[in-house]
Amino acid sequence: ETGVTQSPTHLIKTRGQQVTLRCSSQSGHNTVSWYQQALGQGPQFIFQYYREEENGRGNFPPRFSGLQFPNYSSELNVNALELDDSALYLCASSRTDGIQYFGAGTRLSVL
Amino acid sequence: GQQLNQSPQSMFIQEGEDVSMNCTSSSIFNTWLWYKQDPGEGPVLLIALYKAGELTSNGRLTAQFGITRKDSFLNISASIPSDVGIYFCAGQVQGAQKLVFGQGTRLTINP
Repeated sequence: ETGVTQSPTHLIKTRGQQVTLRCSSQSGHNTVSWYQQALGQGPQFIFQYYREEENGRGNFPPRFSGLQFPNYSSELNVNALELDDSALYLCASSRTDGIQYFGAGTRLSVL
Repeated sequence: GQQLNQSPQSMFIQEGEDVSMNCTSSSIFNTWLWYKQDPGEGPVLLIALYKAGELTSNGRLTAQFGITRKDSFLNISASIPSDVGIYFCAGQVQGAQKLVFGQGTRLTINP
């Protein structure tokens, strides 16, 4: 186990709704990165949080947003859900510029 | 989004056989990583490579960082049933936050 925990495990939403996914980082890690993994694909970088601020962003629209808290845990928020947002959302924690260790992910289904 | 070219996409082998897979990119990376993902789980780090030409082993797994910095290889010797899963390569540019992943190689082992 990596020590990175994500909740919930599974989630079903309808188009247009909003969702919040949560991640607790491994002890000693101060950086959290979020990835979207569509079925049959490799993970795609959404953004990274360091010192409670966004520290790099991939090619995702502004309706994907996040937070990092003083204890280094993080949230991923997605507004106005679309069918194509259905995917496995992975959180990875690391030390600054260190190896990223992944949680088990949250499986989001948008109907 | 940007992805690495990973091959083969799938492999069907007999238990005990050796396995080779590779990953290529049009861009240079400073770090190459190999992860394994089992169903319902997040990627688990197998090997990290930091220098061009580096050859690193982890048990029956051996990976190499290509001299051009644009490719990497993973070999598995004497495969066993627990090697079944999807293997992902990932590249990282120094100072960049994101990992860029390949599409994965799905390994199936016939007993």
